[in-house]
Amino acid sequence: DIVMTQSPDSLAVSLGERATLNCKSSQSVFYSSNNKNYLAWYQQKPGQPPKLLIYWASTRESGVPDRFSGSGSGTDFTLTISSLQAEDVAVYYCQQYYNTPSTFGQGTKLEIK
Amino acid sequence: QVQLVQSGAEVKKPGASVMVSCKASGYTFTRYYMHWLRQAPGQGLEWMGIINPSGGSTTYTQIFQGRVTMTTDTSTSTIYMDLSSLRSEDTAVYYCARSANSYYFDYWGQGTLVTVSS
Repeated sequence: DIVMTQSPDSLAVSLGERATLNCKSSQSVFYSSNNKNYLAWYQQKPGQPPKLLIYWASTRESGVPDRFSGSGSGTDFTLTISSLQAEDVAVYYCQQYYNTPSTFGQGTKLEIK
Repeated sequence: QVQLVQSGAEVKKPGASVMVSCKASGYTFTRYYMHWLRQAPGQGLEWMGIINPSGGSTTYTQIFQGRVTMTTDTSTSTIYMDLSSLRSEDTAVYYCARSANSYYFDYWGQGTLVTVSS
């Protein structure tokens, strides 16, 4: 199974500042035949199911604010929130869907400083 | 609008079985794969398996092989997850989720808490 490791485990950022969350896979999730990285990001608030933010490593889901962006390729990926808002407090998970079983990182808890 | 509505919370004793349902609406049920995932209290997300509502084919992750059965009823646009031989470690919120051909999940059910306790 592909192991997904997120860093840091928790992060405190001031309102309006940039938040950078990292995700590393134990093997590449890049598929050369279609030039795509099989990596998604989710946001989960307490008591709610996860919400899809980003897929194909950098494609924003419809309705997701443009302050959220995804980058990276191969084994190293980043979710960036350009200007943190109070409603962004949540746990963020990365997921690889390159092969089954699909696996998730352990999550990064994002808080306000 | 797309909705996935799951059945209510369950309390089961060790060794028992539980069935959780997930009713889909707002889209063509047979055009998307459906998945089951779970999240133990305070823990991360674990993918359990996938069912193709068109035909009912399934793939289960190895750790649940022999204990989980996923089924579909296209007449009611509902999928079911049956987990047997429950143990305390199975206490979790169970989610259904939808995907297209690539397995990222664009819609999720609200979750069903299954508590296993003697």
